[in-house]
Amino acid sequence: GQQVMQIPQYQHVQEGEDFTTYCNSSTTLSNIQWYKQRLGGHPVFLIQLVKSGEVKKQKRLTFQFGEAKKNSSLHITATQTTDVGTYFCAGNAGNNRKLIWGLGTSLAVNP
Amino acid sequence: DAGITQSPRHKVTETGTPVTLRCHQTENHRYMYWYRQDPGHGLRLIHYSYGVKDTDKGEVSDGYSVSRSKTEDFLLTLESATSSQTSVYFCAISESGWAGEDTFGSGTRLTVV
Repeated sequence: GQQVMQIPQYQHVQEGEDFTTYCNSSTTLSNIQWYKQRLGGHPVFLIQLVKSGEVKKQKRLTFQFGEAKKNSSLHITATQTTDVGTYFCAGNAGNNRKLIWGLGTSLAVNP
Repeated sequence: DAGITQSPRHKVTETGTPVTLRCHQTENHRYMYWYRQDPGHGLRLIHYSYGVKDTDKGEVSDGYSVSRSKTEDFLLTLESATSSQTSVYFCAISESGWAGEDTFGSGTRLTVV
């Protein structure tokens, strides 16, 4: 079936270091969304990418959607302790209304 | 958060009993989803709805049923709860279903003993 692989599963960084998580889909996606979930909380929408090769920035966060629309990345510059949490990617394939979710990357930041 | 509430927030129930979880939205969004979240499995879709009385199965629908008699309410029922259904259950809503953000409720932590 359709799958989205997300790597790494865990990442531990020192505050101020950069962080990147990658998503790779087994199928071409119509769009990709990124969510952040804090421990004990619920997923919170960060951004959606739709176009091939699209790049969007939110302050220290940079999101990319691959040219083939099968992969995506989230890069955080100069991590802060407030960045701690699990980052999920999720995408739609074709006109399917069901999101295909990655398993998430858990980020820990040492102050 | 953005007009979506789940109830109850926590529940402990015994194996074999029926359990109903409620998701209520005030956004008038067409699409509603039930997910379960377990360590190592991420978010898995149980059922979703694309309108009143219109529902479809997700990847882990066995042992679960849903109903949507009003736009604002989406109910998830565990017909006969089992320990494998111990999980955190999230409801989500979406205006379009595929081209926009999904908004999640705060979750229901269900323990089946």
